[in-house]
Amino acid sequence: EDQVTQSPEALRLQEGESSSLNCSYTVSGLRGLFWYRQDPGKGPEFLFTLYSAGEEKEKERLKATLTKKESFLHITAPKPEDSATYLCAVNTGFQKLVFGTGTRLLVSP
Amino acid sequence: DAGVTQSPTHLIKTRGQQVTLRCSPISGHKSVSWYQQVLGQGPQFIFQYYEKEERGRGNFPDRFSARQFPNYSSELNVNALLLGDSALYLCASSSPGGQSDYGYTFGSGTRLTVV
Repeated sequence: EDQVTQSPEALRLQEGESSSLNCSYTVSGLRGLFWYRQDPGKGPEFLFTLYSAGEEKEKERLKATLTKKESFLHITAPKPEDSATYLCAVNTGFQKLVFGTGTRLLVSP
Repeated sequence: DAGVTQSPTHLIKTRGQQVTLRCSPISGHKSVSWYQQVLGQGPQFIFQYYEKEERGRGNFPDRFSARQFPNYSSELNVNALLLGDSALYLCASSSPGGQSDYGYTFGSGTRLTVV
């Protein structure tokens, strides 16, 4: 069965304290790994798509990387506005996304 | 350019009732997917429609149904509501062909509360 596991469940950082979020996956055929940001009461906001091992993408303070079994979302010098839930999802075919349960990030000033 | 729009934003229903949720995709997007997100969990796939045809279905009972209209908007219907159906229902649209480097764009969702 296709599965996505995210860790940690929650992460508290001081402003400027860099860290990484993990997403490990087990799928029969990966057709893209997605990272989304979700603010309370809102829909997920697209951040990155990664397709093959070794691929990296960056956007402001965020950098996503992909291996054959996991993906990391690196957050460099985070700011309070980076506080949100970060969701990882894999496309297993037929445009079906399988999501993890997310990492709740809180950045304190 | 308008994003994915969903209506209503919130609603409260009683157990046993029926509900219809609506979604308008981004202009030019022909694929619409529906997801259920229970509090504290990640979204779970319910349906995917492309060019008005069902292309995928998740592990949800037959009480859940959907359709897509000629203008690519979509409705999700849930019959015989249960307390456990309380959740944020999300609609996502994607570009022609179903996937792009820009992923799937989600709407803000409909918060359904069943009492």
